[in-house]
Parts: sequence; structure tokens; C-alpha cells
Amino acid sequence: EAGVAQSPRYKIIEKRQSVAFWCNPISGHATLYWYQQILGQGPKLLIQFQNNGVVDDSQLPKDRFSAERLKGVDSTLKIQPAKLEDSAVYLCASSPHRLAGGMYFGAGTRLSVL
Amino acid sequence: GQQLNQSPQSMFIQEGEDVSMNCTSSSIFNTWLWYKQDPGEGPVLLIALYKAGELTSNGRLTAQFGITRKDSFLNISASIPSDVGIYFCAGHNTGNQFYFGTGTSLTVIP
Repeated sequence: EAGVAQSPRYKIIEKRQSVAFWCNPISGHATLYWYQQILGQGPKLLIQFQNNGVVDDSQLPKDRFSAERLKGVDSTLKIQPAKLEDSAVYLCASSPHRLAGGMYFGAGTRLSVL
Repeated sequence: GQQLNQSPQSMFIQEGEDVSMNCTSSSIFNTWLWYKQDPGEGPVLLIALYKAGELTSNGRLTAQFGITRKDSFLNISASIPSDVGIYFCAGHNTGNQFYFGTGTSLTVIP
């Protein structure tokens, strides 16, 4: 079974630029999550989708971050404009059902904002 | 968001020793997950627990869902060098969100 796919693996941008990350979850997984992981910390949830609807985006900085999940499969996370403090690893995860089952992570995208 | 308390923060052990770490919360969870994260990689799911009191093994790893539903424990027996990494717990509650622990960094000395 293929895992969660993310791209790119690394991205370096300057502050105030825009950046987008892509995620393809495990086939059949209804729930998709985007997490931000700052060095030395545990992952922090940014947004959670159930199929193509948003379940929780309470910790998403909506003035600069946006995410969509078209057709309930792939998802993109965008930052516009980026700030220095956005430097982190952005992890995508999926689970078969929002109330049960393990959550499986992709390898992440490491973002450096200069 | 809520942060789970995970301890110890770091461990340095000799190869062959057993390891214990735990995760505690001020609120009740319905699911506990344990992950291992290697540098530059995403967390890998080790064990999932769904029921209070549940004890589940995965090779040399054993995890337990505390009966109060506010804690969980992970044990690694006979540690080997490839056990090195950061271990995270995650709890899932009725509010439908996963909360992560602060991580335990494990170093195994050959």
C-alpha cells in the first residue's frame, strides 16, 4: 500500500514570497490533516479535512495560510505571504476515518524562509 | 491547542537495556497513538490503542492505554541502535482532534 506522498521535500523562499505544498493521502482515507512542526516540538494541527469539507481549521493563520482538498483526495496548503516564523516542516497525514484508525504521515516538506 | 506532557524529555541508554516513557493529559482521550520520528522524516506509527486498559505489542515495543484514559505508556525491550529517534505520543478525543506530546529523544549507546 502506498503511503502519504508529499512534495516538494524542501523549499527555500524569501519572506513575503508565496509557497504551496501538495499532498496525496493513502487511497481510501477520508480524513486528511496538515500539521506544522517547528524544530524540537511536536506536530501542531493546522487544518483537518473530512473528504473535501473542513472539520477543524481553528489553528490555521487564515490571514496568510489557505488549504483546499479538491474532490476529497489531493490537498494543497499555501502560504502567502511567508514570514520568517513559518520556517518549519509541514506534514500531511491521513486516516481512514476521523474517529478511529491510526493516522499516517508523509515525509514532510521542510520550508526555510530567509 | 492542548499539549500532552511526555516524559522523560530525553534518554541515554546502553544497547540491550529496556526503555520506558509515558504521556499524560489533563483530559480524557479515546485513542492513543505512539510514533517514532527519524531526522528529516515524518512520524511513523508504531502502535495504536483504542480502549482503556488495552495492552498492545509490536515486536519489542509494548504500549498501554491507561485505565484513567488520561495516560499512556510505551516500553521498548532490549534496545538496539536503530531505536534511536524521537518518540511522540498522540491522543484523540471526542472533540475530534489529535494532540501531540512534546516528544522523548532516545539515544542508544552501542
